[in-house]
Amino acid sequence: QKEVEQNSGPLSVPEGAIASLNCTYSDRGSQSFFWYRQYSGKSPELIMSIYSNGDKEDGRFTAQLNKASQYVSLLIRDSQPSDSATYLCAVIKNSGGYQKVTFGTGTKLQVIP
Amino acid sequence: SQTIHQWPATLVQPVGSPLSLECTVEGTSNPNLYWYRQAAGRGLQLLFYSIGIDQISSEVPQNLSASRPQDRQFILSSKKLLLSDSGFYLCAWKFGGGNTGELFFGEGSRLTVL
Repeated sequence: QKEVEQNSGPLSVPEGAIASLNCTYSDRGSQSFFWYRQYSGKSPELIMSIYSNGDKEDGRFTAQLNKASQYVSLLIRDSQPSDSATYLCAVIKNSGGYQKVTFGTGTKLQVIP
Repeated sequence: SQTIHQWPATLVQPVGSPLSLECTVEGTSNPNLYWYRQAAGRGLQLLFYSIGIDQISSEVPQNLSASRPQDRQFILSSKKLLLSDSGFYLCAWKFGGGNTGELFFGEGSRLTVL
């Protein structure tokens, strides 16, 4: 079982729609969760972090965390063509005193004008 | 504010040649430092992470090594490159300590081994 799993996509949504991206993780000891956006050929950039159960909103983005189900999601409202990118889910857990940061393989999002 | 610099941005190397990629962080002390590799069309593979000078943990056995000679300097090396070493190498940092705190990436180094 992979530590962090994401559907590779592509996920295609029309402009203005809501895009829903999902991520599951295997280690119940994981405590911090992040969403990154990566444009082709570029390094990942942080979109949101979430540390406790529930929803966290930032502009058009909402992150949702459910630790009981080991599930993290990202909603993008009013999707724009500029949102087309690969979205990476990341999880932090302690590993022998180190903060190990593990990424999913990413979901490719295509927003159709 | 904190910044991370990574170089070189692009390099093409023959099989069997050595490699050195360098990363430095400015504006913070005692960061946690990471090296990731991303093969074409693939996810981020954690290679090494470090919580301090000369304190490095390796995730994947391979012909790569990492060193941290100074608090804010992280170097990825190889004595002899393989074709499979091609990829996009990313250095990243986060504030040390605890399980919280975001990871910030450098611009990346794209390596092609021929």
